[in-house]
This record gives sequence, C-alpha cells and structure tokens, in this order.
Amino acid sequence: KQEVTQIPAALSVPEGENLVLNCSFTDSAIYNLQWFRQDPGKGLTSLLLIQSSQREQTSGRLNASLDKSSGRSTLYIAASQPGDSATYLCAVCGGSRLTFGEGTQLTVNP
Amino acid sequence: EAQVTQNPRYLITVTGKKLTVTCSQNMNHEYMSWYRQDPGLGLRQIYYSMNVEVTDKGDVPEGYKVSRKEKRNFPLILESPSPNQTSLYFCASSLFASGGGLNTQYFGPGTRLTVL
Repeated sequence: KQEVTQIPAALSVPEGENLVLNCSFTDSAIYNLQWFRQDPGKGLTSLLLIQSSQREQTSGRLNASLDKSSGRSTLYIAASQPGDSATYLCAVCGGSRLTFGEGTQLTVNP
Repeated sequence: EAQVTQNPRYLITVTGKKLTVTCSQNMNHEYMSWYRQDPGLGLRQIYYSMNVEVTDKGDVPEGYKVSRKEKRNFPLILESPSPNQTSLYFCASSLFASGGGLNTQYFGPGTRLTVL
C-alpha cells in the first residue's frame, strides 16, 4: 500500500527566504505526483503536476522535482511572501487513485 | 467558470438522519472522487467514479454510498450518519492523463459536517 510522508509538518520562515518542502513515497510505480496548496477552511488548489517521466516542473516561483527511483519529491519556493502561507500537500497517482501526504503547514512572516 | 461545487457548505445534523451532499462539475470530467479530511489523518478517499455508472470504494467507504447517474454529478449519501462521520468533505474531479493515471485534480470548496 502506498504511503506518502511530508517533512516537516510545519515550517516558519521570514519573508524573502527560499525554502524546500519534502515529500517521500514508498511505491515508485506511479504515473505522476501532484502538489497542492490549501488555505485554512478552503479546498485544495493544484500547483504543479509532474509526470513520472519528468524530473522537474516549474511555475513562477515554484519548482517541483521528482526522483521516482528514490521515492522523493521536493517543492522549492523562491523568494517567499506572506501570501504563500498555507498548507502544502503532495499526492502520488498510482493509477485510478491519489494518495496524499498530511501536508506541511508553511508560515511566511513579514 | 470551470469549477466543482458542493452543497451544502456547512451541515449540522443528528445521528441516524439520512443526508446527501451534492457535488457537481462543469468541466466534462470523467473521474470524480470524494475525500474526507481529519486532523492527524490527512485526506482519505471514500469513493471514486471512473465514469457514469462506474464507482468503486476508496480507503474508508464504510457508512457512505455514492451514485453516478450523470457525468457532472456525484452525490455522497450518508444513510445513517454517526458522530465519527463528523469531518470536512471534499469532492474532486479530473480528466484522465494521456500517459495513464489521473490529470490535475480540481477540488470543491468543502462541506463541513457535524453529526451530533
């Protein structure tokens, strides 16, 4: 059974800092990995999707990498802003289902 | 606007009183899914549907029913709700990815359910 772990569970940084969020998974037989953002009390918003054949994907200040063989993905956020404060979740797609990590709660302090 | 809608957004009910949470998407997505989110347990899948009339159990299907009679709608039914079903519920939808698996997931705003 696929298990997804996100470390750290919470992270607090000053504005402007570059940061990395980590996601690891136990079964490397995946189709893709997806990163989401969740604001308090709200639904999830998709940030990036990396296909299993890709190494990285970029969108604005966000860069996600994938190392399928080692079961790891990272989400790099450049020049963090207070508006980036949210919970970030990764999810691996093993076919017809997604398995989610518990998320990293990020706080960016002005 | 492309979106997934859920109703109601908030619901307080009592044990045993049947309820339905509706989910609708306007993106012609084949795949739809229900999740519940609980502190310390993360997002867990309840049921999913690959297309009309095709549904399957997720990780925590006990106490829930679903149906997919139309492509755009995927209601979640609690026939006899219990307090342990108090949770935040999300509906999601997507296309299938060309290389296999699921494409980008679109989530609804959530339904906060309290069962007394």
